[in-house]
Amino acid sequence: EAQVTQNPRYLITVTGKKLTVTCSQNMNHEYMSWYRQDPGLGLRQIYYSMNVEVTDKGDVPEGYKVSRKEKRNFPLILESPSPNQTSLYFCASSFRTEQFFGPGTRLTVL
Amino acid sequence: EDKVVQSPLSLVVHEGDTVTLNCSYEVTNFRSLLWYKQEKKAPTFLFMLTSSGIEKKSGRLSSILDKKELFSILNITATQTGDSAVYLCAVSTDSWGKLQFGAGTQVVVTP
Repeated sequence: EAQVTQNPRYLITVTGKKLTVTCSQNMNHEYMSWYRQDPGLGLRQIYYSMNVEVTDKGDVPEGYKVSRKEKRNFPLILESPSPNQTSLYFCASSFRTEQFFGPGTRLTVL
Repeated sequence: EDKVVQSPLSLVVHEGDTVTLNCSYEVTNFRSLLWYKQEKKAPTFLFMLTSSGIEKKSGRLSSILDKKELFSILNITATQTGDSAVYLCAVSTDSWGKLQFGAGTQVVVTP
């Protein structure tokens, strides 16, 4: 089944404790991206990647890092999480314009 | 700065009513406009529109794009409680799929 998976689905952590949210797709898509969704603000792009080893900042990259060492994986790294990064995070992949979204990761930073 | 604005922010209707959702945009490099439906989980794709005036239809949902006036509408006829969701509009600004999203319209359909 074609899908995008994310782990973990839910995470509660404390300020400053490094964490990684994994994202994997099995559709051989070149383009992958990370979004955060906050009430009233819609989905905002954090980082995107057009292919292996090619990443670029989206609209809200501060406080996040990404890497793309393999085509299927695109992890999101929070080196020192802060409470303002509490949000719902979605990973997405696409071949062209239509993006397929993962199930979401609800992150709470205390 | 690219901007996508949806209206209304939310609405409540009765089953059987017709709903019209609006999406206007100002972007520097328009490629296409997409509609997504989001229930309590990930957004799911509804339509992609690239040409003005051509209606896309799927069951009770339909959508049309006006590239001159820079807006799109999404219509839902004979609404059902299963149509309750947040409807997201997004504009693609490059060929790889970079999307600029609006804030969404929350639709609640009451029995």
